[in-house]
Amino acid sequence: DAGITQSPRHKVTETGTPVTLRCHQTENHRYMYWYRQDPGHGLRLIHYSYGVKDTDKGEVSDGYSVSRSKTEDFLLTLESATSSQTSVYFCAIGRTALGNEQYFGPGTRLTVT
Amino acid sequence: GESVGLHLPTLSVQEGDNSIINCAYSNSASDYFIWYKQESGKGPQFIIDIRSNMDKRQGQRVTVLLNKTVKHLSLQIAATQPGDSAVYFCAETGNTPLVFGKGTRLSVIA
Repeated sequence: DAGITQSPRHKVTETGTPVTLRCHQTENHRYMYWYRQDPGHGLRLIHYSYGVKDTDKGEVSDGYSVSRSKTEDFLLTLESATSSQTSVYFCAIGRTALGNEQYFGPGTRLTVT
Repeated sequence: GESVGLHLPTLSVQEGDNSIINCAYSNSASDYFIWYKQESGKGPQFIIDIRSNMDKRQGQRVTVLLNKTVKHLSLQIAATQPGDSAVYFCAETGNTPLVFGKGTRLSVIA
């Protein structure tokens, strides 16, 4: 998985609780992305980062926040989890620009009960 | 690993035959296209890419064809093997974050 790890790999949480997912890369790539994957929707971009402390919203950013304090780490936070946020979350990294290929981590399955 | 059970179009192919997976993209301004493969329980894996100044690009056992006139992309897999069973996504971009198609499931019959 191109030097990308995600933690935790599985999580079950209750509605209303905060949740943070971590993406860690060892490739020193500039761009990092968070996606969610749901039946019937494919991969949808939540947030992305183009450098330390530089982030921007994606297609489905409501209810999510991100932080990037180091090149290698990109955190996704659900401030107050809802059942609609039950999904599989993928982190991806990209080397040079938004319009280039991305490499994906193994995913995190999040269940909000 | 993780995967999502998707109700996707499915292509069933006999082992050893060639496979053709199609994708219609949406943005005429897109100038870069990628095919990804996602095996059960794993994240998407880069297969091959093509820029809009090309019509065809070949890799190892895979070929991507681009028809900009009708905004159509295809992935051809030669001599399909059981290990090719997966979900295949196309993605497009015009120097923006990638936009992914919903995918096609390839099932290889041994």
